[in-house]
Amino acid sequence: DTGVSQDPRHKITKRGQNVTFRCDPISEHNRLYWYRQTLGQGPEFLTYFQNEAQLEKSRLLSDRFSAERPKGSFSTLEIQRTEQGDSAMYLCASSPQANYGYTFGSGTRLTVV
Amino acid sequence: GNSVTQMEGPVTLSEEAFLTINCTYTATGYPSLFWYVQYPGEGLQLLLKATKADDKGSNKGFEATYRKETTSFHLEKGSVQVSDSAVYFCASPLGGQNFVFGPGTRLSVLP
Repeated sequence: DTGVSQDPRHKITKRGQNVTFRCDPISEHNRLYWYRQTLGQGPEFLTYFQNEAQLEKSRLLSDRFSAERPKGSFSTLEIQRTEQGDSAMYLCASSPQANYGYTFGSGTRLTVV
Repeated sequence: GNSVTQMEGPVTLSEEAFLTINCTYTATGYPSLFWYVQYPGEGLQLLLKATKADDKGSNKGFEATYRKETTSFHLEKGSVQVSDSAVYFCASPLGGQNFVFGPGTRLSVLP
């Protein structure tokens, strides 16, 4: 297993366009998390899945954001009608159980121009 | 509310100096505590953790002791190297289902 994979590594998009990011967690991990990190800040929680169920969403996750994890494997995060304020690093992490510690992917850096 | 607080950076040290980065938390009970490190251009990596009070986590010469009396988990290293230059994040689930991260402390070690 090669760890948590995220695709793409970088995405530049024009304001108003839709973007979708993919995360492939470690296969044995049933928990998957999405975070957002802006320059000079710590990661901020967006949403969390246990298997295919989305169990928690942050207030940061506006109605333009949607996440899925079909079949409890990979996950996608879609941002509709992107805004410049969406520019950030989007991080995916997985873990086998609560309080265990996360394994992070390398992130997808989104730039909205 | 529940939170993780860590000392502001940046911290600049000379090689072989002693390092302390302070971290405190606010939560009900005694949550697990973690330190993550982010090297330039890389993702976050788990550095060490402690799951209960008085536990000491250690890795790569770094140590942190879970002090319930002061709700702290300060990161220490006796002799830093240039390769330790990175951003360090204190984190905890704080009793919930997802981790809360501190703002990060940037460490620069000069040769």
